[in-house]
Amino acid sequence: KAGVTQTPRYLIKTRGQQVTLSCSPISGHRSVSWYQQTPGQGLQFLFEYFSETQRNKGNFPGRFSGRQFSNSRSEMNVSTLELGDSALYLCASSSGDRTDTQYFGPGTRLTVL
Amino acid sequence: GESVGLHLPTLSVQEGDNSIINCAYSNSASDYFIWYKQESGKGPQFIIDIRSNMDKRQGQRVTVLLNKTVKHLSLQIAATQPGDSAVYFCAESRNDYKLSFGAGTTVTVRA
Repeated sequence: KAGVTQTPRYLIKTRGQQVTLSCSPISGHRSVSWYQQTPGQGLQFLFEYFSETQRNKGNFPGRFSGRQFSNSRSEMNVSTLELGDSALYLCASSSGDRTDTQYFGPGTRLTVL
Repeated sequence: GESVGLHLPTLSVQEGDNSIINCAYSNSASDYFIWYKQESGKGPQFIIDIRSNMDKRQGQRVTVLLNKTVKHLSLQIAATQPGDSAVYFCAESRNDYKLSFGAGTTVTVRA
């Protein structure tokens, strides 16, 4: 069974631009969560989607948004990029129950110049 | 405030010895706890989990202990191997659909 895949793996943008990251969950998984990982703040929850509905959202500004498609694939978008948005963006998939194991992808490394 | 934290940011252990990684949490409503391992350049990898109705759970070479009285959990790794070198995170879940992660402990295995 294929794991969680994320594209692209690396991305370089400049301040003010926007970016879209993609996540394909494990086959059969209906929940996708997104996390931001930085050396200073660690792993922080962005949002979680299940069956195309956002069930929870973290404490990030409105520049961060996401969506999920009917095939459970998910995208997250960051608009008006800031230097502080440089991070590893991780997505995780699970079956959708709160205590189901979340399996992480390799992440997308975003660098904002 | 609410937080999940680890006691030590780094741990150096001799190959073959047992490792103990600690984590403290502050929210008594947390009822599900997970340990993840993250190697350089990779996403976090699930190791083991435990629910709040349990005190101990064992896996292959790993044991997680949960002490709800003092809001503490630990991960024990038996016979630590070089491949165990990584950053270890504890995470907790409350009555929502997110995981809150601790800061991580970097484990280095000495040959």
